[in-house]
Amino acid sequence: QKEVEQNSGPLSVPEGAIASLNCTYSDRGSQSFFWYRQYSGKSPELIMFIYSNGDKEDGRFTAQLNKASQYVSLLIRDSQPSDSATYLCAVNNGDNNDMRFGAGTRLTVKP
Amino acid sequence: DTAVSQTPKYLVTQMGNDKSIKCEQNLGHDTMYWYKQDSKKFLKIMFSYNNKELIINETVPNRFSPKSPDKAHLNLHINSLELGDSAVYFCASSQTTGFHEQYFGPGTRLTVT
Repeated sequence: QKEVEQNSGPLSVPEGAIASLNCTYSDRGSQSFFWYRQYSGKSPELIMFIYSNGDKEDGRFTAQLNKASQYVSLLIRDSQPSDSATYLCAVNNGDNNDMRFGAGTRLTVKP
Repeated sequence: DTAVSQTPKYLVTQMGNDKSIKCEQNLGHDTMYWYKQDSKKFLKIMFSYNNKELIINETVPNRFSPKSPDKAHLNLHINSLELGDSAVYFCASSQTTGFHEQYFGPGTRLTVT
């Protein structure tokens, strides 16, 4: 069983739409959750982190966490072609800084 | 200013060679990491160092050895390179252990022929 699972995609949305990216994790002891964006040939870039159940908003991005369901998501409002990238979900159990990454979801925003 | 830097950016070498990748961070962070990203883009942690002490050592071959001369540097040395070692290697750092987010270097694309 994979520890952090994401739909590999590709997920295609039209420009201006809401893109919804999902992630599930297996370790109930996980404490912190991160979303990274990775453009092709580039390094992962931190977009958001969330520690508590509920929603956290930052500009066009909203992270949602449900620890009971072991589920974390990222919503991108008003999607732009520049948002086209692979989005990596990462989960940290906090004890020994063991960060586990999902395989990523490839998002394409079409003009 | 580059927060996390790695050299070289590209490394092409033959099987059996020994090579090193250097990493430096100027963020004042206490913890540094090495990740391997394979052709399927799966990012897997290899090592992390906190205050010059190894705190995670994933099941990687002992041909890989991290070396940290100080808390701003974590180099990766690889002995007897194999074809399967071809990947992109990312260095990262975080303020400390625990919940903190990690910041990644630009990556080193290693190709073993």
